[in-house]
Amino acid sequence: EAEVAQSPRYKITEKSQAVAFWCDPISGHATLYWYRQILGQGPELLVQFQDESVVDDSQLPKDRFSAERLKGVDSTLKIQPAELGDSAMYLCASSSIGRGSDEKLFFGSGTQLSVL
Amino acid sequence: QKEVEQNSGPLSVPEGAIASLNCTYSDRGSQSFFWYRQYSGKSPELIMFIYSNGDKEDGRFTAQLNKASQYVSLLIRDSQPSDSATYLCAVNMLGGYNKLIFGAGTRLAVHP
Repeated sequence: EAEVAQSPRYKITEKSQAVAFWCDPISGHATLYWYRQILGQGPELLVQFQDESVVDDSQLPKDRFSAERLKGVDSTLKIQPAELGDSAMYLCASSSIGRGSDEKLFFGSGTQLSVL
Repeated sequence: QKEVEQNSGPLSVPEGAIASLNCTYSDRGSQSFFWYRQYSGKSPELIMFIYSNGDKEDGRFTAQLNKASQYVSLLIRDSQPSDSATYLCAVNMLGGYNKLIFGAGTRLAVHP
């Protein structure tokens, strides 16, 4: 069964360091999402790509976060510099089409980030 | 007002009972609704989706939707200890691109 691949599974970093997460969506899925989930809360959308284009980054803290999907396939999310409040689970998800209200998202295993 | 609201729980039910999980949403124009199950330390897993008013059944799970009341629920029949998890309600917001907004989740505990 096709899966969304994410790495690393866990990341521990110190405050002010740079950190990067990688995601490879299900083959053929044009839409890719990055969500952040703080313990005890639901996932919050950070950025959404349709192919290589960003279609929603309204909740992305752009002073320290960046995301790219250069060839419209895999994607990287970067934080620089990391802050203590960035400790969370970072989830990547994909879906096969971007438009329409009935599309289902499938999540990768996530990256658990701890900032010390 | 949050866009998607759920009672955080924990909801505790005995094994074999029916667990009822509820969710309300603010966007009256929302058209599609999803339930995800999330075990501790794991990522969310899609278990049900519903688009039309009424009930939709899949095995032990039933999703119920009432768009007039902006309310969606998930019933789990014959609850098992393995059902103990956090259940996330997600709503597709109006707009050009598919965008899921999640509630904070309800923690379910099924005790033997």
